Order: sequence, then structure tokens, then C-alpha cells
Amino acid sequence: QKEVEQNSGPLSVPEGAIASLNCTYSDRGSQSFFWYRQYSGKSPELIMFIYSNGDKEDGRFTAQLNKASQYVSLLIRDSQPSDSATYLCAVTADSGNTPLVFGKGTRLSVIA
Amino acid sequence: DAGITQSPRHKVTETGTPVTLRCHQTENHRYMYWYRQDPGHGLRLIHYSYGVKDTDKGEVSDGYSVSRSKTEDFLLTLESATSSQTSVYFCAIKTSTDTQYFGPGTRLTVL
Repeated sequence: QKEVEQNSGPLSVPEGAIASLNCTYSDRGSQSFFWYRQYSGKSPELIMFIYSNGDKEDGRFTAQLNKASQYVSLLIRDSQPSDSATYLCAVTADSGNTPLVFGKGTRLSVIA
Repeated sequence: DAGITQSPRHKVTETGTPVTLRCHQTENHRYMYWYRQDPGHGLRLIHYSYGVKDTDKGEVSDGYSVSRSKTEDFLLTLESATSSQTSVYFCAIKTSTDTQYFGPGTRLTVL
């Protein structure tokens, strides 16, 4: 059973701080890693994807991947109240038929 | 929004009735997915399709069937709805770069 684990939270951070969201996965063959943000009552929206070990930055967001440790994280710099949402980590082994495996999400609350 | 629509957006039905949810995409993507999302369970894959008439089961497929007779439409059918199928249902597509995008969701209540 392929699993993706996330701390459910809530993770509370003050406005302007760095929020750090973590995700571990069980399938060593995983190749592609995704972070989604989901506001209450809305559908998940893709924030970032990462395929290679190391860091990938996009604006205030940085995804970090360590395949040896089977660990992927999302850093949000200068957190804003509008970042308050549930963040979903998703993993897949290949680009064929294998569907994404989602974690249950971490709820982030940014306090003004 | 990757050109994905779902209908209906909200539905209330009674136990034992058949229900069909529709997912429509405008961009000709090969892969389409149906998920349900429930508190404490996260997103769970019901069925997916990798082409017209090509479908496969996900982790929670019991009680659900799907059909894909043309590229743009992926239908999810509950043959005889039960209260345990009360949920929010999301359709998704996967692009050629392996990124997955979700539709707006359908909130289904089975009384």
C-alpha cells in the first residue's frame, strides 16, 4: 500500500513568518511530487511540482525534495492570512497510468 | 481551471436511487479521474480513465461505476445511492506534463 503521510495540523504561524509543511512517502520508486492548496469548500489547486532532489522556488513558495529520506516539504515565506488553507501533498511513481497518491493534508492557519 | 466542469454542483437524493455525475473537459486530455473527499479521509480515488472506453478501479470503487464514451466526458454512476456515499466528488484531469487539475466539485447528499 503506497502511503503519503502529513501532519494534519493545524499549523499556526504568525503573519510574516515562514510556514514549513512536511510530507513523507512510502514508495521509493516515486518520481513526481506535487503540492496543492485547498481552501474550505473549494477544489484543490496546484501550487508547485518537483521532480529532482533539492529546492525549487516559485515566488514565496519553495518545494524541497530529498528522495533518499523519502521526504518532501513546502516552505511559504512571508506567510499571509490568505495562505490559510489545507495543503495536500501528492506523489506518483511514473507518468503512465499510475494515479497520484494524496496525503490527507495539513491545515495551515496564518494569524494576523 | 483547465477547462473542467462538473454537473450538477449540488444534489440531494434518497437512498436507493441512481445518481450520475458528469465531468466535462474542453482540452482533450487522455487521463481523467474521479475522487471523493471526506473529513478524516482526504482525497480517495474512485475510478480513473486513460482513454475512451478505458477505465480502471481506484481504492474505493465499490458501489460506483464509470463510463467514458468520448474524450471530453467522464461519467460517475451510483447505481443505488447509500448514505455512506454522501460526500464531495471531484473530477480531475492529467496533462501531458503529468500535472493534475481538479474540477469545482459536486456536493452529494444521500438521505
